[in-house]
Amino acid sequence: DAKTTQPNSMESNEEEPVHLPCNHSTISGTDYIHWYRQLPSQGPEYVIHGLTSNVNNRMASLAIAEDRKSSTLILHRATLRDAAVYYCILRGSLNNAGNMLTFGGGTRLMVKP
Amino acid sequence: GAGVSQSPRYKVAKRGQDVALRCDPISGHVSLFWYQQALGQGPEFLTYFQNEAQLDKSGLPSDRFFAERPEGSVSTLKIQRTQQEDSAVYLCASSLVTRGGNQPQHFGDGTRLSIL
Repeated sequence: DAKTTQPNSMESNEEEPVHLPCNHSTISGTDYIHWYRQLPSQGPEYVIHGLTSNVNNRMASLAIAEDRKSSTLILHRATLRDAAVYYCILRGSLNNAGNMLTFGGGTRLMVKP
Repeated sequence: GAGVSQSPRYKVAKRGQDVALRCDPISGHVSLFWYQQALGQGPEFLTYFQNEAQLDKSGLPSDRFFAERPEGSVSTLKIQRTQQEDSAVYLCASSLVTRGGNQPQHFGDGTRLSIL
């Protein structure tokens, strides 16, 4: 599986935007970029995913570089409840079921009031 | 609606005991995954079911680990003769059929297993 690289930790102020980077220089043409986050004492939670174009949903935005070798998860206005570990994951496009998630170390986001 | 439910939430066992961890997936979700998460690490894949068929068990760390999903709904992860290194959070996730591999996985909050 293609590997992703994320900073170990980041800090943000409440109500400010947060940009979480992810490098995936060995991404293949059919790999989707997925983001999950894990709040303390909870299971991971799906955030967003994309292939080539930037994506927006109610939780966040995903900006994908033109060469697809990097991407950025954008939280437009961080709240204390956004403090979590954020995982950037590549998932291949398969015709059969059973596409497990391969988690790395993720980025621990701390939000200061 | 109800999410993925796991029980028990916490389990303490003595080394050498057998344990059974239960997962109730979201109704209608065909795919079910088990992951193991050691302290301070990301989750690691253990095994995968599509309905009742176990299609991938490549992540199970030893033959002491066994998973089943006999009726294609509830799943049980069993660990026999537990060892201290089995101490971890065990996460279950379910999803719709992953044609194209991009259906989100929905996770339970896990079972925290401690082996004394």
